[in-house]
Amino acid sequence: GAGVSQTPSNKVTEKGKYVELRCDPISGHTALYWYRQSLGQGPEFLIYFQGTGAADDSGLPNDRFFAVRPEGSVSTLKIQRTERGDSAVYLCASSRNEGVTDTQYFGPGTRLTVL
Amino acid sequence: AQSVSQHNHHVILSEAASLELGCNYSYGGTVNLFWYVQYPGQHLQLLLKYFSGDPLVKGIKGFEAEFIKSKFSFNLRKPSVQWSDTAEYFCAVARLRDSSYKLIFGSGTRLLVRP
Repeated sequence: GAGVSQTPSNKVTEKGKYVELRCDPISGHTALYWYRQSLGQGPEFLIYFQGTGAADDSGLPNDRFFAVRPEGSVSTLKIQRTERGDSAVYLCASSRNEGVTDTQYFGPGTRLTVL
Repeated sequence: AQSVSQHNHHVILSEAASLELGCNYSYGGTVNLFWYVQYPGQHLQLLLKYFSGDPLVKGIKGFEAEFIKSKFSFNLRKPSVQWSDTAEYFCAVARLRDSSYKLIFGSGTRLLVRP
C-alpha cells in the first residue's frame, strides 16, 4: 500500500514569510508525528496527533510553529515569520497507535530552505 | 542530560567486513528501542526494533541488535557488510512513560562500504 507522503518535497522561502507543509499518513493510521531534522543531526520530535487532537506538542520550538489535523487524516505544519534557523528537513511519520508495540513509518520529508 | 548517543559519526568499511555501531541511551525506566536506516535519496526505514523478550533481535537485510539493559546499550551488528549497506543509521528510543511514544533519535552514523 501507499506510504506516508509529504508535499512539497522542497520549499524555498524568504525570511519572514509564512509556509505550510503537508503530510498524508498511511490510510488507517490514527497517530501522526512531525519531526525536524537539521543538517548532521537526527530527527527531533515536534508534535504528535492522536486523531484530530494534538496530544503532545512539547517539541514545538516556539509559537511561530503550529500544526493541525482537522479530520484526523491529513496534517499541515504551519510556520509563521520564518527564520533562517528554521531551515531543515521536516519529517512526518504515522502509526496504527497500537500502544507499546507501535512502529512509526516515515515519509520522504520536506526540505525547507529559508533565505 | 537525557539523550541517545551514537559513538561513531562516520564509519568506512570494506565489503565483507563486520559491522558494529554503538548506541547508548541515558533514560531510566522502560524503553522501546529502534534502529532506522536512511539509504541515499530515500526516506527513513525501520531496520529492527526491541520491545520486550529476547534481547537479541534480528531485522531486515541480515542486521541484528542486542539490548544490554545494564549498559543502557542497543548496538547494531552485521557479520558481513555489502556495498548496498552504505547509508546513514539512526538509533532511536521511545520512553514508555511518554504516552505519545515519540522517538528520541541519536545523531546518526554514516556508513560507507567500499567495494
